[in-house]
Amino acid sequence: DSGVTQTPKHLITATGQRVTLRCSPRSGDLSVYWYQQSLDQGLQFLIQYYNGEERAKGNILERFSAQQFPDLHSELNLSSLELGDSALYFCASSLSGTEGTPQYFGPGTRLLVL
Amino acid sequence: GQQVMQIPQYQHVQEGEDFTTYCNSSTTLSNIQWYKQRPGGHPVFLIQLVKSGEVKKQKRLTFQFGEAKKNSSLHITATQTTDVGTYFCGGAAGNKLTFGGGTRVLVKP
Repeated sequence: DSGVTQTPKHLITATGQRVTLRCSPRSGDLSVYWYQQSLDQGLQFLIQYYNGEERAKGNILERFSAQQFPDLHSELNLSSLELGDSALYFCASSLSGTEGTPQYFGPGTRLLVL
Repeated sequence: GQQVMQIPQYQHVQEGEDFTTYCNSSTTLSNIQWYKQRPGGHPVFLIQLVKSGEVKKQKRLTFQFGEAKKNSSLHITATQTTDVGTYFCGGAAGNKLTFGGGTRVLVKP
């Protein structure tokens, strides 16, 4: 158990809909990262927050947005969903936002768009 | 931008044999990390290498950081079925950690 929690574990929705994925980092960690992993693919970095502020952006679509709240939990919002958005979404946290700080991953949210 | 490549993409190994997976970065790294993702699981941090030429061991796993800090390798000896999974390297540079595509390891009993 990494100490990172993600809800929900599974999500099934329809195209065009909007969903929100939630992540609580490990106690004491200030940085949260979001990744997308399609079937048997690598980890695509989406976005990073550090202590409530956006720190880095990866290949995140304009239909996707995220935020980190004062209690450090984070939410990833996915809107106008398409079939291709079906994937495993991981949240990871680290103590600091600097490069090379080991990241601890949550169990992921499996999203299926029908 | 920085790119991190891993080879091979797939590794079929006979139980008991050794194998090596490689990680190459397009830029010099400040450090490199390795993660393991079991089937159906999430990536789990294994180790971090910081110094040029550094070698670290974890039981049957040997991790090495290249002299130029642009490449790394993971060598597993006497492969066991518990080694099944995908091994990702993450190269740290420019305040970013970039993951390679992973090496998916399948073990034949």
